[in-house]
Amino acid sequence: GENVEQHPSTLSVQEGDSAVIKCTYSDSASNYFPWYKQELGKGPQLIIDIRSNVGEKKDQRIAVTLNKTAKHFSLHITETQPEDSAVYFCAASKRNQFYFGTGTSLTVIP
Amino acid sequence: DAGVIQSPRHEVTEMGQEVTLRCKPISGHNSLFWYRQTMMRGLELLIYFNNNVPIDDSGMPEDRFSAKMPNASFSTLKIQPSEPRDSAVYFCASGWINTGELFFGEGSRLTVL
Repeated sequence: GENVEQHPSTLSVQEGDSAVIKCTYSDSASNYFPWYKQELGKGPQLIIDIRSNVGEKKDQRIAVTLNKTAKHFSLHITETQPEDSAVYFCAASKRNQFYFGTGTSLTVIP
Repeated sequence: DAGVIQSPRHEVTEMGQEVTLRCKPISGHNSLFWYRQTMMRGLELLIYFNNNVPIDDSGMPEDRFSAKMPNASFSTLKIQPSEPRDSAVYFCASGWINTGELFFGEGSRLTVL
């Protein structure tokens, strides 16, 4: 089966700095890689995703990169703001099966 | 769209009682997932349905857990009898089979005393 590893488990950055979260996966058949943001007491919210035929995708301050050869993908948040503080989950998916990372707790210090 | 709707948002019950969690997926979605989230184990897939048919229930912990999807707009997850170790946040998520996108509800926080 698929195995998704996510690092770091916790991350603190100063407001305005960048944050990077990395994930690796094991199954080369995985072809869809979403990222979720979960705020306290809420459900995970899809913030950006990338498919295996694309190497990079950007949406305002958020970007995701995918290296299929190395089987890793990363989330980049630039110009971080306090409201970016949350737990972020990566996932790898194939044939409608999702495998989630263990989450990264991001704290943006004002 | 109102998104995925779950009820109840919070449930406190005593060991041995039956618990029923409910989910209304986003209209038009044809896949539905039930997840359990705990600090120790993270997000665990319990079961998922495609077009109302259960596809993979290998994540259901034991016979005490059952899930149904009688139609495209409603699903239930039932625990009978409940145990303290079932305490967790249970999430329902829905999406489209072909695109793979998944949208979560706000969760049902279950506490079994």
